[in-house]
Amino acid sequence: AQSVAQPEDQVNVAEGNPLTVKCTYSVSGNPYLFWYVQYPNRGLQFLLKYITGDNLVKGSYGFEAEFNKSQTSFHLKKPSALVSDSALYFCAVRETGNQFYFGTGTSLTVIP
Amino acid sequence: GAVVSQHPSWVICKSGTSVKIECRSLDFQATTMFWYRQFPKQSLMLMATSNEGSKATYEQGVEKDKFLINHASLTLSTLTVTSAHPEDSSFYICSASNEWNQPQHFGDGTRLSIL
Repeated sequence: AQSVAQPEDQVNVAEGNPLTVKCTYSVSGNPYLFWYVQYPNRGLQFLLKYITGDNLVKGSYGFEAEFNKSQTSFHLKKPSALVSDSALYFCAVRETGNQFYFGTGTSLTVIP
Repeated sequence: GAVVSQHPSWVICKSGTSVKIECRSLDFQATTMFWYRQFPKQSLMLMATSNEGSKATYEQGVEKDKFLINHASLTLSTLTVTSAHPEDSSFYICSASNEWNQPQHFGDGTRLSIL
């Protein structure tokens, strides 16, 4: 069975500090992993994805994520947080076929 | 990047009214469209998956007669909330995908408020 977990409901970080939003997954085959961001009253925006290749994936707005197969993790990172990064972040996993599985979301607050 | 347009963005209507929400992929052919419901400060709840030209696949607990989904073309899917009641008030989001290993592209959502 597939699943994805975001262990933190809320992450607070000071502006300018590095940020990490955690995600772990469970799939029976090769995972296809995605990160999305949601701003208030908006749909989700795609940030980045891992399909194959380099474990470090770079995406929009300076975000990156590292695929770690041994730890079954795909944590989202940014070296220097901006106040405008404050939003809801979702990790998603997809296996062969159509079904996406989303995590429960992590609310990121960047404190000025 | 791919764009998905969702209309209306906000609708307020009386209890008992049926409401139709449209989801269009503007620059790509969406073989699959997804409909989600999101409660305040909660994650997305997948309601159904629709493939063009075939019946939608509903998730467990979602009433197919209540939430009618039509995916008549590769660029348009509609969700009709029939005889809406206050408990149907929510944020509904659609997304579209054209390949299974590609990301979903989301509409901006529809806030439905039933009085």
